[in-house]
Amino acid sequence: DAKTTQPPSMDCAEGRAANLPCNHSTISGNEYVYWYRQIHSQGPQYIIHGLKNNETNEMASLIITEDRKSSTLILPHATLRDTAVYYCIVSPDNNAGNMLTFGGGTRLMVKP
Amino acid sequence: EAQVTQNPRYLITVTGKKLTVTCSQNMNHEYMSWYRQDPGLGLRQIYYSMNVEVTDKGDVPEGYKVSRKEKRNFPLILESPSPNQTSLYFCASSFNGPLVGEWGSGANVLTFGAGSRLTVL
Repeated sequence: DAKTTQPPSMDCAEGRAANLPCNHSTISGNEYVYWYRQIHSQGPQYIIHGLKNNETNEMASLIITEDRKSSTLILPHATLRDTAVYYCIVSPDNNAGNMLTFGGGTRLMVKP
Repeated sequence: EAQVTQNPRYLITVTGKKLTVTCSQNMNHEYMSWYRQDPGLGLRQIYYSMNVEVTDKGDVPEGYKVSRKEKRNFPLILESPSPNQTSLYFCASSFNGPLVGEWGSGANVLTFGAGSRLTVL
């Protein structure tokens, strides 16, 4: 499985866009990029996922580079409630039960 | 409300006293999984179940047991708890494995419980 690298922490001003990077240089063709977040010891929450194309939903946008070696999660207008640890995960599409591996994530602090 | 329910949410126990952390989901999900979370180590998978009567070890299964006798329940059993099992535990479920549907339908999102904080003295 591809490993991911994320900065351990980031700050963002409230109301501004938060751009969270993730490197996954060993990703293979059938592996998806997933983003989850965890707010202060609560259960992780799914945000978005993608394979090749950029994706957008009501929570965030996901930008995947053309070579798929990195991606960026964008929270367009960060609020204080977006303060959380954000996990970038890469998993294959063969749906093995033990495939979702969480790394250290990025601790995002949204400041007033 | 669709949810994964864990109990107890908080527990302090002593070494060797058997305990069970229950997990129940009301979404008719086939896949269920247990994770533990420790500072500096992130989330690590303990056991998972792809369907009723089918369970498999995750990354850190030692000291734990699970059962899946019915689709909605996936209890985590600590037969003889030790202090190194002090941790925050999460149960999760999804329709079919931990992946979202291929076309981004969102129907197969992995849903987590609120967590169970266990302290073993």
